[in-house]
Amino acid sequence: AQKVTQAQTEISVVEKEDVTLDCVYETRDTTYYLFWYKQPPSGELVFLIRRNSFDEQNEISGRYSWNFQKSTSSFNFTITASQVVDSAVYFCALRAGGGSNYKLTFGKGTLLTVNP
Amino acid sequence: DTGVSQDPRHKITKRGQNVTFRCDPISEHNRLYWYRQTLGQGPEFLTYFQNEAQLEKSRLLSDRFSAERPKGSFSTLEIQRTEQGDSAMYLCASSPPEQYTEAFFGQGTRLTVV
Repeated sequence: AQKVTQAQTEISVVEKEDVTLDCVYETRDTTYYLFWYKQPPSGELVFLIRRNSFDEQNEISGRYSWNFQKSTSSFNFTITASQVVDSAVYFCALRAGGGSNYKLTFGKGTLLTVNP
Repeated sequence: DTGVSQDPRHKITKRGQNVTFRCDPISEHNRLYWYRQTLGQGPEFLTYFQNEAQLEKSRLLSDRFSAERPKGSFSTLEIQRTEQGDSAMYLCASSPPEQYTEAFFGQGTRLTVV
């Protein structure tokens, strides 16, 4: 069975602070994909990043960066110099097994509030 | 067409009534998914279509729930004899034929059963 744990339920920061959102996953499959999605108050899940299990290279995209560590089964997300517009619920998700399995298993999400 | 479209955005219904939701995926996306999200939780998988074939159904999808994708384009999700526990956000997503890609989500249909 697959499982995604986002231990931080809510995080509140002041604008321009850096913030890291934690994600720990569980799967027995050697092939899997990890995702981060952002859900603003409008409700639509916005795709941020996809990582496959064979690529542990960290990635940076503007103020966003992701740290994938298979040794600790973690896929953490850092926002540098946070802005009010970053306020949203962030979900980490796992798609395990590759092949014909397209189902995503989501964590419970982390509500990030960035205060001015 | 710039994204996944869901209709209606909000639905309030009385317990025991039937409801139907529609999802229009992104053009040329052959895979379509339904998820359910309750307050404070992440989305939970309900079912998945590849073209018109329904390939997987979650145990969450009781016999009161039925989903169709008759021509491999839009999809409908029907809930019969609604119960208060069905109140949730119903999310639709789609993805293209390429195997290693992400799903794109619509804005969801929020169902309230009173």
